[in-house]
Amino acid sequence: EDQVTQSPEALRLQEGESSSLNCSYTVSGLRGLFWYRQDPGKGPEFLFTLYSAGEEKEKERLKATLTKKESFLHITAPKPEDSATYLCAVLGEYGNKLVFGAGTILRVKS
Amino acid sequence: DTGVSQDPRHKITKRGQNVTFRCDPISEHNRLYWYRQTLGQGPEFLTYFQNEAQLEKSRLLSDRFSAERPKGSFSTLEIQRTEQGDSAMYLCASSSSGARGNQPQHFGDGTRLSIL
Repeated sequence: EDQVTQSPEALRLQEGESSSLNCSYTVSGLRGLFWYRQDPGKGPEFLFTLYSAGEEKEKERLKATLTKKESFLHITAPKPEDSATYLCAVLGEYGNKLVFGAGTILRVKS
Repeated sequence: DTGVSQDPRHKITKRGQNVTFRCDPISEHNRLYWYRQTLGQGPEFLTYFQNEAQLEKSRLLSDRFSAERPKGSFSTLEIQRTEQGDSAMYLCASSSSGARGNQPQHFGDGTRLSIL
């Protein structure tokens, strides 16, 4: 069964303090690893898709990387508006469902 | 570019009542998904449609749950005889197919269901 574990559960940063979120996964035949951002009371907002080990994607202060066992979401010089829950999900070889981790709650203080 | 739209945003009902939610996907997307999310957890898959065909259902989808997607456009999710444990956020997502069926799923803002 496909599984996703995210760490840490919560992270508090000062504005400008860079850090990384971790997503460890086990999946039968990875067809894609997806990062989402979720604000309170809203649905997940798509950020990145990574398809194979070694791939990297960047968007503003965020950079996602992928190995065969885990993905990292690096946040460079975060701002308070980056505060949200970040979700990682995998799409395995069989079926069409995303399997999500429980998320990392990020708080950035000014 | 309109995103995925869900209605209602909030639903409060008494235990034992039936409820129905609606999802309007992104217009060019042929795939539609329903997920359920409880506090502190990631979304859990419920069911998947390709056009009007329901191709996958989770074991979470008990016989009190039914989903339809008539004509491959909007979708409805109905819960009969609601129970306390049904309280959650119900999320709808849509995507295009792509060569490997791995295009990103785009989510609506969900319907929050509260059972009294």
